[in-house]
Amino acid sequence: KAGVTQTPRYLIKTRGQQVTLSCSPISGHRSVSWYQQTPGQGLQFLFEYFSETQRNKGNFPGRFSGRQFSNSRSEMNVSTLELGDSALYLCASSQTTGQQTQYFGPGTRLLVL
Amino acid sequence: AQSVTQLGSHVSVSEGALVLLRCNYSSSVPPYLFWYVQYPNQGLQLLLKYTTGATLVKGINGFEAEFKKSETSFHLTKPSAHMSDAAEYFCAVSHPSNTGKLIFGQGTTLQVKP
Repeated sequence: KAGVTQTPRYLIKTRGQQVTLSCSPISGHRSVSWYQQTPGQGLQFLFEYFSETQRNKGNFPGRFSGRQFSNSRSEMNVSTLELGDSALYLCASSQTTGQQTQYFGPGTRLLVL
Repeated sequence: AQSVTQLGSHVSVSEGALVLLRCNYSSSVPPYLFWYVQYPNQGLQLLLKYTTGATLVKGINGFEAEFKKSETSFHLTKPSAHMSDAAEYFCAVSHPSNTGKLIFGQGTTLQVKP
């Protein structure tokens, strides 16, 4: 089975721009979670989507949003980028029932200049 | 609220020595516990997990961890370190009814000296 894929792998943006990141989960997985990883704050939960609905949300401003499509693929969007948004954004997928384990993709590294 | 504390941001061991990475958690309910490893410029790879049942869990690459409820700990061990074990290790916790949200510790960087 193919793993979680994320595109693009690297992005450079300037302050004020917006960005969209994409995540394709493992086949058969219907839950997708997003995390932000920075040297200062570590790994922080952004949100989780299941069956096209946001099921959980972390403590991030409204500039961070996401969505999930009927094929379980997910996108996250960050509007009005700030320098502090520079980070590695990780996507993870899991199955829907039982003792779920999250499987992570390689991440998208975003640099905001 | 749940939280995770990893004691020691950097741990250095010699090749062949015991690896011990410490993790303590706080949770109002019996949590699910995980250890992930991250190699440079990569995502997270699951090493092992505890959900229910046997408190000593074995993972990949010779790692194991023991869930100790009385000590609220889930320390990661490996009897003999290998150079390829050098990486960053993260302990994480989730609520059993909310497994889509992982709370991570700050991570421990493991250095293995020849």
